[in-house]
Amino acid sequence: EVQLVESGGGLVKPGGPLRLSCAASGITLSNAWMTWIRQAPGKGLEWVGRIKSKTDGGTTDYAAPVKGRFTISRDDSENMLYLQMNSLKTEDTAVYYCNTWENRGGINYDHWGQGTLVTVSS
Amino acid sequence: DIQMTQSPSSLSASVGDRVTITCRASQGISNYLAWYQQKPGKVPRLLIYDASTLHSEVPSRFSGSGSGTDFTLTISSLQPEDVATYYCQKYNSAPATFGGGTKVEIK
Repeated sequence: EVQLVESGGGLVKPGGPLRLSCAASGITLSNAWMTWIRQAPGKGLEWVGRIKSKTDGGTTDYAAPVKGRFTISRDDSENMLYLQMNSLKTEDTAVYYCNTWENRGGINYDHWGQGTLVTVSS
Repeated sequence: DIQMTQSPSSLSASVGDRVTITCRASQGISNYLAWYQQKPGKVPRLLIYDASTLHSEVPSRFSGSGSGTDFTLTISSLQPEDVATYYCQKYNSAPATFGGGTKVEIK
């Protein structure tokens, strides 16, 4: 069974950095396309960015609001996914989820962590 | 970037009603469209992918259709447990943008 567990959220001042982690079990992250999705309080889902699998080049893509400030990386030896967030703004306040799709027997399954809350406030 | 527009943003319907939610892409995305359901206080879950493929654990009253720019999620007979917010998402290329969501309530 795939499990994703995010950590690292908390209160941070505007302009500050924060690193989120996503620990995975039941799936090898290097073989998966991993995504970060966020949800501001009372708002909709927002795609933040993704990292492709190693075999697909391991490249990253980001949403326009976070490009240049956020970096997604992976530690294959630890099976961990990271989201390094710099120059945080109040509008980055949200619950951050790590997410992936898994294809098993031709059927797609989605997997989500429980989310970690990031609050950017002075 | 391609924008995803959902309508309506909210709706209220009676148990047993047929409910239709639409999602429009600003450019063609073939059938690379997913629908998610998010119940209050819960993590979203995948309902439909490839525009019309129902996830194996989703009740058959849910269906999806469309291709190109116009897509539809239909609940054939609304049930109380369907109260949730529904999101479409394109995934043909990055950014994998979500629609704004449709909140479904029981009248």
